[in-house]
Amino acid sequence: SQQGEEDPQALSIQEGENATMNCSYKTSINNLQWYRQNSGRGLVHLILIRSNEREKHSGRLRVTLDTSKKSSSLLITASRAADTASYFCASDQGAQKLVFGQGTRLTINP
Amino acid sequence: DAGVIQSPRHEVTEMGQEVTLRCKPISGHDYLFWYRQTMMRGLELLIYFNNNVPIDDSGMPEDRFSAKMPNASFSTLKIQPSEPRDSAVYFCASSTRQGTDTQYFGPGTRLTVL
Repeated sequence: SQQGEEDPQALSIQEGENATMNCSYKTSINNLQWYRQNSGRGLVHLILIRSNEREKHSGRLRVTLDTSKKSSSLLITASRAADTASYFCASDQGAQKLVFGQGTRLTINP
Repeated sequence: DAGVIQSPRHEVTEMGQEVTLRCKPISGHDYLFWYRQTMMRGLELLIYFNNNVPIDDSGMPEDRFSAKMPNASFSTLKIQPSEPRDSAVYFCASSTRQGTDTQYFGPGTRLTVL
């Protein structure tokens, strides 16, 4: 399978809380990216972290990468209703293509 | 820039018919990707092009599927003949310089084969 694994598959929290999603992959990577997909739309790139980086921030997003555990996490702080979407990790495992995970469905309740 | 453009947005057809999906990548992008998304299998890479040349088509499910990129601004994905199990959302994406840089996705084509 070309898929990575994301955990949890679904997450429901209250507005204002923090949301954490995890991603694991199987082989060494050059970089790892996170994408968001709103219902009925295409994927939108959120953030890219390279294999020599451990943490990266972008606005309310914080991404960590642990290459020894082959895992990454995406933290969304102070969640908003507009953050309701599916979130995918995608790893660059070489061969000029990305391997996408199955995604986490995040629901923010008002 | 208008972003990646796909057409049609929705397609409903009957089993056995030919289906052609179209994509216009972002100008200046060297890589173009076709993906298929279903609930059961998630997001699958079907094929990708670099400078209009197909590089990896290992994800194309069967000979019924074919893709072309006659020039830098246009690509097609054709299914002939279509089957109900081809029902899915098909995305086109493009990226610059390297295929593993940020990918920009189109809005997708929702295909329903009856």
